[in-house]
Amino acid sequence: GAGVSQSPSNKVTEKGKDVELRCDPISGHTALYWYRQSLGQGLEFLIYFQGNSAPDKSGLPSDRFSAERTGGSVSTLTIQRTQQEDSAVYLCASSLWGLAGDDEQFFGPGTRLTVL
Amino acid sequence: SQQGEEDPQALSIQEGENATMNCSYKTSINNLQWYRQNSGRGLVHLILIRSNEREKHSGRLRVTLDTSKKSSSLLITASRAADTASYFCALIIQGAQKLVFGQGTRLTINP
Repeated sequence: GAGVSQSPSNKVTEKGKDVELRCDPISGHTALYWYRQSLGQGLEFLIYFQGNSAPDKSGLPSDRFSAERTGGSVSTLTIQRTQQEDSAVYLCASSLWGLAGDDEQFFGPGTRLTVL
Repeated sequence: SQQGEEDPQALSIQEGENATMNCSYKTSINNLQWYRQNSGRGLVHLILIRSNEREKHSGRLRVTLDTSKKSSSLLITASRAADTASYFCALIIQGAQKLVFGQGTRLTINP
């Protein structure tokens, strides 16, 4: 079946511009997660959506970052006024029940963001 | 830091040998997971071990968890070239709503 998809796969932007990254989770998964991975590093948690609950935004690195999940499905991560340190691979994942359910997360292929 | 710390950072072995990677952490956890990442298949979940479990097996993978020492190990037996990847431990910390990843161990299997 279809896995988690993300678009675009690559995004090059100029410093100061806004970008939107999209994630389509696996159908029926109630939980959706965004992570950031810098070159050669582990994953940095950004935000977690669980069903209709208010998202946990504690991992967002600054107020330039925001995310929404419409209709409990597709999610968009928006970065305003991008900076060079925002350059990274942004990974989205979904899971059936969420963190309380001890279930595995299925990851998308990621969006590679380069800020010039 | 709440994240897992992995050891070694890099490991290179011959095909057929066993590979062991370790993950240590500092907080109480609900469970610990291991993931593999390579350029071909992205990030893939390998195995989850709960805080009340001590050992789990999945094929050639064996994971142990010692909550008293706050450490876990991943053993890959009879390694294959296709096992070449980065391996990450990830923690669900008690009371926190997030999965915290370690920095990873880069494993290279030489044919």
